[in-house]
Amino acid sequence: AQTVTQSQPEMSVQEAETVTLSCTYDTSESDYYLFWYKQPPSRQMILVIRQEAYKQQNATENRFSVNFQKAAKSFSLKISDSQLGDAAMYFCAYRSSTSGTYKYIFGTGTRLKVLA
Amino acid sequence: EPEVTQTPSHQVTQMGQEVILRCVPISNHLYFYWYRQILGQKVEFLVSFYNNEISEKSEIFDDQFSVERPDGSNFTLKIRSTKLEDSAMYFCASTADIADTQYFGPGTRLTVL
Repeated sequence: AQTVTQSQPEMSVQEAETVTLSCTYDTSESDYYLFWYKQPPSRQMILVIRQEAYKQQNATENRFSVNFQKAAKSFSLKISDSQLGDAAMYFCAYRSSTSGTYKYIFGTGTRLKVLA
Repeated sequence: EPEVTQTPSHQVTQMGQEVILRCVPISNHLYFYWYRQILGQKVEFLVSFYNNEISEKSEIFDDQFSVERPDGSNFTLKIRSTKLEDSAMYFCASTADIADTQYFGPGTRLTVL
């Protein structure tokens, strides 16, 4: 069974600085999707970025980028030029694309604090 | 931008009572999901629903749980006889196509006393 691990329960970053959130996963599948979702306090989870495993190029979305290391089963999120609005819970998630299931498997989340 | 909505935001109930959690998915979406997150633990998949049928469910989704799409807009999760361990945040999600990214609602916090 697939698992997702986020080893950093909490991280802090100074405004305008860069922070990297870690995520590792375990799977025997070769084709899958990985996601980072952001959940501000009392708000819904919002997709930050998505990576297809068959793509070697790391996904980027404005100030957000990933470092996808398929062999190492690592999927870290880098936030550049951190802003106060980036403060939230960040969840890493895995979804199979071959096994006929479309459920997400989540990590436990990393709470990001942004310091002014 | 369209959003998934959930009501209530917080539900408090006594053990053994029935609760219904409500979700309004994005209007053109066809695939619906429930997840839950016990405090301090992972978000866990409960069930997926398509074409008025459950398409997949987890081990957590036992006979105490049921889902329904009673009309063209709502998607509900019913817990027949709540237990203390059902206390959690429950998230609804929807997609237009099965392979699409899931859009999540803000969650309902269920507290069972």
